[in-house]
Amino acid sequence: DAKTTQPTSMDCAEGRAANLPCNHSTISGNEYVYWYRQIHSQGPQYIIHGLKNNETNEMASLIITEDRKSSTLILPHATLRDTAVYYCIVRDGSSNTGKLIFGQGTTLQVKP
Amino acid sequence: DGGITQSPKYLFRKEGQNVTLSCEQNLNHDAMYWYRQDPGQGLRLIYYSQIVNDFQKGDIAEGYSVSREKKESFPLTVTSAQKNPTAFYLCASSIDHRGRVVAQHFGDGTRLSIL
Repeated sequence: DAKTTQPTSMDCAEGRAANLPCNHSTISGNEYVYWYRQIHSQGPQYIIHGLKNNETNEMASLIITEDRKSSTLILPHATLRDTAVYYCIVRDGSSNTGKLIFGQGTTLQVKP
Repeated sequence: DGGITQSPKYLFRKEGQNVTLSCEQNLNHDAMYWYRQDPGQGLRLIYYSQIVNDFQKGDIAEGYSVSREKKESFPLTVTSAQKNPTAFYLCASSIDHRGRVVAQHFGDGTRLSIL
């Protein structure tokens, strides 16, 4: 599975959009991009995933560049409850193991 | 509501003792996983099971054992052979992931400490 690079930390003002970048320059054609988040002392929570098209659900939007070497997770109106560590993960969609490789992620601090 | 239940939330162990962490899911998921998380670090896979009565080692299986006798249950035993067991343990489940894109659903973890 391809390696991902994320900033260590980011701040965002409450009510504003939070844009979390992720680089995955070695991604291969059948690898998907997943985003999870982990609020302190809880288990990770699935947010969204995508292959090459932009995706949106009730939690967030995922924008993947045309060359697929990077992506951005967008929380449109961040709240204090969105303060968490956000993990960008790349995984082969045809893999026979369910292993997700969690790096150190981006700590997002939403401020009032 | 469907979900994953891990118990206990906090667990203390004396050196030399085995302890078993419970993980139960009512999501009717085929696959279950155990991860370990150390402070400030990402998650590392210990064991996973794709189907009842079958399981495979992950990246850091030494000192751990599991069983999968029922679809909804996947207990993890931390044995005395695990030299550094203090960590946050997370259980997850998913539908059968083989050849498919699936999301994993996580419990709220068990924090194990050595007395």
